[in-house]
Amino acid sequence: KQEVTQIPAALSVPEGENLVLNCSFTDSAIYNLQWFRQDPGKGLTSLLLIQSSQREQTSGRLNASLDKSSGRSTLYIAASQPGDSATYLCAVSPMDSSYKLIFGSGTRLLVRP
Amino acid sequence: DAGVIQSPRHEVTEMGQEVTLRCKPISGHNSLFWYRQTMMRGLELLIYFNNNVPIDDSGMPEDRFSAKMPNASFSTLKIQPSEPRDSAVYFCASSAQAGGSYEQYFGPGTRLTVT
Repeated sequence: KQEVTQIPAALSVPEGENLVLNCSFTDSAIYNLQWFRQDPGKGLTSLLLIQSSQREQTSGRLNASLDKSSGRSTLYIAASQPGDSATYLCAVSPMDSSYKLIFGSGTRLLVRP
Repeated sequence: DAGVIQSPRHEVTEMGQEVTLRCKPISGHNSLFWYRQTMMRGLELLIYFNNNVPIDDSGMPEDRFSAKMPNASFSTLKIQPSEPRDSAVYFCASSAQAGGSYEQYFGPGTRLTVT
């Protein structure tokens, strides 16, 4: 059974710092991996989607990497801002049921001004 | 585009009452998903529809839960009778196609409290 783990559970950093969020999964047979952002009381916003054949994806100050063989992904946020404060969720789609998203429990990020 | 629309945003009900949650997916999307989010279990897929047909309902917790999609622009998730352990945030999501490189777009969620 696929399990997704995110470390750390919470993170507090000063504004301007570069930071890395970690995601690990137990079964490497994935179709893709997505990073989402969730603001309090709101839905999820997709940030980056990495296909299993890709190594990384970039969008602005965000860069996500994928090492499928080791079951790991990282989300790198450059020059963090207070507006980046949110919960970041990682989700994988199993190869045999690619419509599914199996989520980690998230990392709650606070960027202090 | 208005995005995925869910109603109500908040629902407070008493144990034993029927609860109906509603979702309007993004126009043109043919896949719809219902998720439940709790502190204990995180985000879990309840049911997945493709072209209005339920494809995977293995995540529906028990017979008290039912979901319908009568047309491409509307879906409901019903709980009857409701119980306090059903308290959670329920999300609806839609995508242009199921899986692959197609992203899922989430609605704002319905926060359900059963007392």
